[in-house]
Amino acid sequence: AQSVAQPEDQVNVAEGNPLTVKCTYSVSGNPYLFWYVQYPNRGLQFLLKYITGDNLVKGSYGFEAEFNKSQTSFHLKKPSALVSDSALYFCAVREPDTGRRALTFGSGTRLQVQP
Amino acid sequence: SQTIHQWPATLVQPVGSPLSLECTVEGTSNPNLYWYRQAAGRGLQLLFYSIGIDQISSEVPQNLSASRPQDRQFILSSKKLLLSDSGFYLCAWSNGQGPNIQYFGAGTRLSVL
Repeated sequence: AQSVAQPEDQVNVAEGNPLTVKCTYSVSGNPYLFWYVQYPNRGLQFLLKYITGDNLVKGSYGFEAEFNKSQTSFHLKKPSALVSDSALYFCAVREPDTGRRALTFGSGTRLQVQP
Repeated sequence: SQTIHQWPATLVQPVGSPLSLECTVEGTSNPNLYWYRQAAGRGLQLLFYSIGIDQISSEVPQNLSASRPQDRQFILSSKKLLLSDSGFYLCAWSNGQGPNIQYFGAGTRLSVL
């Protein structure tokens, strides 16, 4: 069965500093990996995905993520954090080889960017 | 472009009352549709997903049911709400092909009192 772990409930970073939000996954085959962001009382917004190819994928709002197969990780990064990046971030995985179409989400990490 | 509509945005219902939440998608055909519940602003629990009309899979046994009467309409229902049904309900769609990126509605906050 596929699973996702986000080990940090909250990440605090100062505005202008780089940020990293961690995600590890467990699948039996090749994964499709996703990051979503949620602002208060809103739905989730898609940020970026890894399907195949280059391990570094770029997404919306200056975010990027690095796929590391040996460490089964897909950490979200941004070189310079903004206060407006403060939100709840979810990592998700899908294992296409199983035919299952639904995503499995992590528990979420709250990012707090201090001015 | 595709859009997803979910309503109502907020709902307060007494225990034992029925529930009907509606989700519709525009700009695409034969989408995969999903209902999630988010408790306490954190993890998402997949409740139901549908790959076509009258093709619905339930992920967890519970007090809720889902129906898909039309291709782009997905309804979440309950005959009798429980206190534990309170939460933030999110509808999502995907095109069912390729990476299957899911796109979410704005959500319904349900409070059962």
